[in-house]
Amino acid sequence: DGGITQSPKYLFRKEGQNVTLSCEQNLNHDAMYWYRQDPGQGLRLIYYSQIVNDFQKGDIAEGYSVSREKKESFPLTVTSAQKNPTAFYLCASSIRRGWAYEQYFGPGTRLTVT
Amino acid sequence: AQSVTQLGSHVSVSEGALVLLRCNYSSSVPPYLFWYVQYPNQGLQLLLKYTTGATLVKGINGFEAEFKKSETSFHLTKPSAHMSDAAEYFCAVSDRGTSGSRLTFGEGTQLTVNP
Repeated sequence: DGGITQSPKYLFRKEGQNVTLSCEQNLNHDAMYWYRQDPGQGLRLIYYSQIVNDFQKGDIAEGYSVSREKKESFPLTVTSAQKNPTAFYLCASSIRRGWAYEQYFGPGTRLTVT
Repeated sequence: AQSVTQLGSHVSVSEGALVLLRCNYSSSVPPYLFWYVQYPNQGLQLLLKYTTGATLVKGINGFEAEFKKSETSFHLTKPSAHMSDAAEYFCAVSDRGTSGSRLTFGEGTQLTVNP
């Protein structure tokens, strides 16, 4: 089955530690995205990548880093510089249908930092 | 810049009643429009989208939405609510230009369905 996998589902870290969230897709999609979701704030774009070895900052990139070495993979590192890292993180990939892009989402990783 | 407003962070309906979730966008050029649904602790699932053509769009699970340019709206409806419709719903927009792969999301509407 084609889809997007995110692991782990739940992640716990101590303050001051970097942590990397995994995102893998086997949909052969070119573009991939990372969002952060907080209650009552919808989804906010952290980083996105439209092609391998290239990525752009989204609206809330500070304290995060990404890499895109393979088409299938787009890991997100939450660094110790991120002041409020506890959140639900969603990865997505997209395919162009006609003129519009359709985004498909993974199941998410809930990160708790204490 | 694009923006999306979802009126009502919480909507409650009875089972069998009409569901109406409101979405308005602000853009000088009509964007592409999407509705997504999210069940607790899960990712988002695409319900339907409007890109071009017919302004009334039908999606999965009996939902539909109508694009009204004059009102800059894309409200989501379902004639008869089912208990399984209880979830959070997000309206999203994307540009028609080269940055069209980016989505801007509304803050979401939590739908409760009462028996």
